[in-house]
Amino acid sequence: ELKVEQNPLFLSMQEGKNYTIYCNYSTTSDRLYWYRQDPGKSLESLFVLLSNGAVKQEGRLMASLDTKARLSTLHITAAVHDLSATYFCAVDGYQGGGADGLTFGKGTHLIIQP
Amino acid sequence: DAGVIQSPRHEVTEMGQEVTLRCKPISGHNSLFWYRQTMMRGLELLIYFNNNVPIDDSGMPEDRFSAKMPNASFSTLKIQPSEPRDSAVYFCASSWGTPDQPQHFGDGTRLSIL
Repeated sequence: ELKVEQNPLFLSMQEGKNYTIYCNYSTTSDRLYWYRQDPGKSLESLFVLLSNGAVKQEGRLMASLDTKARLSTLHITAAVHDLSATYFCAVDGYQGGGADGLTFGKGTHLIIQP
Repeated sequence: DAGVIQSPRHEVTEMGQEVTLRCKPISGHNSLFWYRQTMMRGLELLIYFNNNVPIDDSGMPEDRFSAKMPNASFSTLKIQPSEPRDSAVYFCASSWGTPDQPQHFGDGTRLSIL
Protein backbone atom coordinates (compact mmCIF):
# COMPACT_ATOMS: atom_id res chain seq x y z
CA GLU A 1 0.00 0.00 0.00
CA LEU A 2 1.36 3.38 -0.99
CA LYS A 3 1.87 5.74 1.93
CA VAL A 4 2.62 9.45 1.71
CA GLU A 5 3.90 11.35 4.72
CA GLN A 6 4.31 15.08 5.01
CA ASN A 7 6.07 17.07 7.65
CA PRO A 8 5.54 19.27 9.36
CA LEU A 9 1.75 19.06 9.57
CA PHE A 10 1.50 22.52 11.08
CA LEU A 11 3.82 25.43 10.49
CA SER A 12 3.62 28.98 11.71
CA MET A 13 6.22 31.32 10.32
CA GLN A 14 6.93 34.97 9.92
CA GLU A 15 6.81 36.93 6.71
CA GLY A 16 10.17 37.15 5.02
CA LYS A 17 11.44 33.82 6.30
CA ASN A 18 12.32 30.71 4.32
CA TYR A 19 11.06 27.23 5.03
CA THR A 20 10.76 23.76 3.53
CA ILE A 21 7.94 21.23 3.60
CA TYR A 22 8.93 17.58 3.16
CA CYS A 23 7.02 14.79 1.50
CA ASN A 24 8.14 11.16 1.77
CA TYR A 25 6.45 8.27 0.00
CA SER A 26 6.76 4.55 0.36
CA THR A 27 6.94 3.07 -3.12
CA THR A 28 8.77 3.62 -6.38
CA SER A 29 7.18 6.47 -8.27
CA ASP A 30 8.27 9.35 -10.46
CA ARG A 31 4.93 11.13 -10.41
CA LEU A 32 4.44 13.63 -7.66
CA TYR A 33 2.02 16.53 -7.42
CA TRP A 34 1.69 19.52 -5.12
CA TYR A 35 -1.65 21.16 -4.42
CA ARG A 36 -2.78 24.15 -2.41
CA GLN A 37 -6.08 24.35 -0.52
CA ASP A 38 -7.50 27.50 1.07
CA PRO A 39 -10.00 27.03 3.93
CA GLY A 40 -13.34 25.79 2.66
CA LYS A 41 -12.12 25.78 -0.92
CA SER A 42 -11.09 23.35 -3.62
CA LEU A 43 -7.60 22.07 -4.40
CA GLU A 44 -5.45 24.08 -6.78
CA SER A 45 -2.63 22.41 -8.69
CA LEU A 46 0.79 23.95 -8.04
CA PHE A 47 3.40 21.60 -9.51
CA VAL A 48 3.73 18.38 -11.48
CA LEU A 49 7.06 16.58 -10.95
CA LEU A 50 7.73 13.62 -13.23
CA SER A 51 11.37 12.65 -13.03
CA ASN A 52 14.27 12.29 -10.66
CA GLY A 53 15.87 15.66 -10.10
CA ALA A 54 12.89 17.59 -11.40
CA VAL A 55 12.71 21.14 -10.07
CA LYS A 56 9.93 23.62 -10.71
CA GLN A 57 9.48 27.16 -9.48
CA GLU A 58 6.56 29.54 -9.39
CA GLY A 59 7.02 32.82 -7.60
CA ARG A 60 8.16 32.18 -4.03
CA LEU A 61 7.53 28.43 -4.24
CA MET A 62 9.97 25.84 -5.54
CA ALA A 63 9.36 22.10 -5.64
CA SER A 64 11.84 19.30 -6.23
CA LEU A 65 11.75 15.52 -6.56
CA ASP A 66 14.33 12.89 -5.58
CA THR A 67 12.90 9.55 -6.67
CA LYS A 68 15.81 7.57 -5.24
CA ALA A 69 15.17 8.96 -1.78
CA ARG A 70 11.41 8.94 -2.42
CA LEU A 71 11.35 12.52 -1.27
CA SER A 72 9.88 15.76 -2.55
CA THR A 73 10.33 19.20 -1.04
CA LEU A 74 8.35 22.40 -1.32
CA HIS A 75 10.51 25.39 -0.48
CA ILE A 76 9.07 28.76 0.41
CA THR A 77 11.28 31.77 -0.06
CA ALA A 78 10.65 35.09 1.73
CA ALA A 79 7.16 34.05 2.78
CA VAL A 80 4.25 36.45 2.44
CA HIS A 81 0.85 36.29 4.11
CA ASP A 82 -0.93 35.31 0.88
CA LEU A 83 0.87 31.97 0.95
CA SER A 84 -1.03 30.94 4.08
CA ALA A 85 -2.92 27.76 3.12
CA THR A 86 -2.76 23.99 3.42
CA TYR A 87 -0.31 22.33 1.05
CA PHE A 88 -0.71 18.73 -0.05
CA CYS A 89 1.66 16.44 -1.85
CA ALA A 90 0.18 13.51 -3.75
CA VAL A 91 1.68 10.53 -5.50
CA ASP A 92 0.50 8.53 -8.49
CA GLY A 93 1.85 5.04 -7.99
CA TYR A 94 0.95 3.78 -11.46
CA GLN A 95 3.86 2.65 -13.59
CA GLY A 96 2.16 2.53 -16.97
CA GLY A 97 1.43 5.14 -19.61
CA GLY A 98 -1.84 6.34 -18.14
CA ALA A 99 -2.65 8.05 -14.89
CA ASP A 100 -3.98 6.61 -11.67
CA GLY A 101 -5.80 7.98 -8.67
CA LEU A 102 -3.67 9.95 -6.25
CA THR A 103 -2.58 9.09 -2.72
CA PHE A 104 -2.38 12.27 -0.67
CA GLY A 105 -0.32 13.26 2.34
CA LYS A 106 -2.12 14.64 5.37
CA GLY A 107 -1.30 18.20 4.34
CA THR A 108 0.82 20.95 5.87
CA HIS A 109 -1.23 23.75 7.41
CA LEU A 110 0.88 26.86 6.87
CA ILE A 111 0.23 30.14 8.67
CA ILE A 112 2.37 33.13 7.77
CA GLN A 113 2.23 35.96 10.23
CA PRO A 114 3.22 39.56 9.61
CA ASP B 1 -13.31 27.63 -19.52
CA ALA B 2 -15.66 25.96 -17.09
CA GLY B 3 -13.97 23.84 -14.49
CA VAL B 4 -15.26 20.70 -12.84
CA ILE B 5 -18.82 21.34 -11.70
CA GLN B 6 -20.26 19.58 -8.67
CA SER B 7 -23.73 19.70 -7.23
CA PRO B 8 -25.10 20.23 -4.72
CA ARG B 9 -22.54 22.39 -2.90
CA HIS B 10 -24.06 21.53 0.46
CA GLU B 11 -26.33 18.68 1.49
CA VAL B 12 -27.82 18.06 4.92
CA THR B 13 -29.96 14.99 5.35
CA GLU B 14 -31.01 12.48 7.94
CA MET B 15 -29.45 9.12 8.52
CA GLY B 16 -30.93 6.43 6.31
CA GLN B 17 -31.74 8.71 3.41
CA GLU B 18 -30.34 8.27 -0.07
CA VAL B 19 -27.80 10.88 -1.15
CA THR B 20 -26.75 11.52 -4.74
CA LEU B 21 -23.77 13.70 -5.58
CA ARG B 22 -23.23 14.90 -9.14
CA CYS B 23 -20.20 15.85 -11.17
CA LYS B 24 -19.62 17.31 -14.62
CA PRO B 25 -15.96 16.97 -15.66
CA ILE B 26 -14.04 19.41 -17.80
CA SER B 27 -14.97 18.91 -21.42
CA GLY B 28 -12.49 16.62 -23.17
CA HIS B 29 -11.07 15.08 -20.03
CA ASN B 30 -11.25 11.31 -20.11
CA SER B 31 -10.46 10.47 -16.49
CA LEU B 32 -12.74 11.22 -13.56
CA PHE B 33 -11.99 10.73 -9.87
CA TRP B 34 -14.06 10.85 -6.69
CA TYR B 35 -12.30 11.74 -3.42
CA ARG B 36 -13.51 12.20 0.14
CA GLN B 37 -11.95 14.60 2.64
CA THR B 38 -12.36 14.36 6.42
CA MET B 39 -10.35 15.74 9.29
CA MET B 40 -9.56 12.26 10.58
CA ARG B 41 -8.63 10.50 7.34
CA GLY B 42 -7.60 13.36 5.08
CA LEU B 43 -8.12 13.02 1.32
CA GLU B 44 -8.98 9.52 0.13
CA LEU B 45 -9.56 8.22 -3.37
CA LEU B 46 -12.90 6.46 -3.61
CA ILE B 47 -13.13 5.47 -7.28
CA TYR B 48 -11.95 6.56 -10.68
CA PHE B 49 -13.08 6.14 -14.27
CA ASN B 50 -11.18 6.12 -17.55
CA ASN B 51 -13.31 6.71 -20.64
CA ASN B 52 -16.45 6.20 -18.52
CA VAL B 53 -15.30 2.78 -17.31
CA PRO B 54 -14.64 2.23 -13.58
CA ILE B 55 -10.99 1.25 -13.16
CA ASP B 56 -10.42 1.10 -9.43
CA ASP B 57 -13.16 1.16 -6.81
CA SER B 58 -11.08 -0.29 -3.99
CA GLY B 59 -11.46 2.93 -2.03
CA MET B 60 -15.24 2.75 -1.88
CA PRO B 61 -15.95 2.22 1.82
CA GLU B 62 -18.70 -0.37 1.52
CA ASP B 63 -21.66 -1.52 -0.50
CA ARG B 64 -23.67 1.50 0.53
CA PHE B 65 -21.57 3.53 -1.89
CA SER B 66 -21.96 3.31 -5.64
CA ALA B 67 -20.73 5.43 -8.54
CA LYS B 68 -21.69 5.63 -12.18
CA MET B 69 -20.50 7.45 -15.25
CA PRO B 70 -23.18 7.01 -17.92
CA ASN B 71 -21.43 9.35 -20.36
CA ALA B 72 -18.31 11.48 -20.71
CA SER B 73 -19.92 14.55 -19.19
CA PHE B 74 -21.63 13.24 -16.09
CA SER B 75 -20.96 11.11 -13.04
CA THR B 76 -22.84 10.35 -9.85
CA LEU B 77 -21.81 9.10 -6.44
CA LYS B 78 -24.66 7.60 -4.47
CA ILE B 79 -24.85 6.66 -0.80
CA GLN B 80 -27.77 4.48 0.27
CA PRO B 81 -28.50 4.33 3.14
CA SER B 82 -26.48 7.24 4.49
CA GLU B 83 -24.88 7.19 7.94
CA PRO B 84 -23.44 10.00 10.12
CA ARG B 85 -19.90 8.71 9.49
CA ASP B 86 -20.35 9.51 5.80
CA SER B 87 -20.28 13.21 6.64
CA ALA B 88 -17.38 14.71 4.71
CA VAL B 89 -16.49 16.90 1.76
CA TYR B 90 -16.68 14.92 -1.47
CA PHE B 91 -14.55 16.15 -4.35
CA CYS B 92 -14.76 15.22 -7.97
CA ALA B 93 -11.69 15.73 -10.17
CA SER B 94 -10.99 15.20 -13.85
CA SER B 95 -7.89 15.00 -16.02
CA TRP B 96 -6.57 14.13 -19.48
CA GLY B 97 -5.49 10.76 -18.10
CA THR B 98 -1.76 11.31 -18.59
CA PRO B 99 0.71 11.82 -15.75
CA ASP B 100 2.04 15.12 -17.08
CA GLN B 101 -1.32 16.77 -16.54
CA PRO B 102 -2.66 17.46 -13.04
CA GLN B 103 -6.10 16.52 -11.86
CA HIS B 104 -8.49 19.49 -11.70
CA PHE B 105 -10.79 19.53 -8.70
CA GLY B 106 -14.35 20.76 -8.35
CA ASP B 107 -15.49 22.90 -5.45
CA GLY B 108 -16.73 19.86 -3.55
CA THR B 109 -19.99 18.84 -1.91
CA ARG B 110 -20.11 19.33 1.84
CA LEU B 111 -22.28 16.48 3.12
CA SER B 112 -23.72 16.34 6.62
CA ILE B 113 -25.67 13.29 7.75
CA LEU B 114 -27.63 13.89 10.95
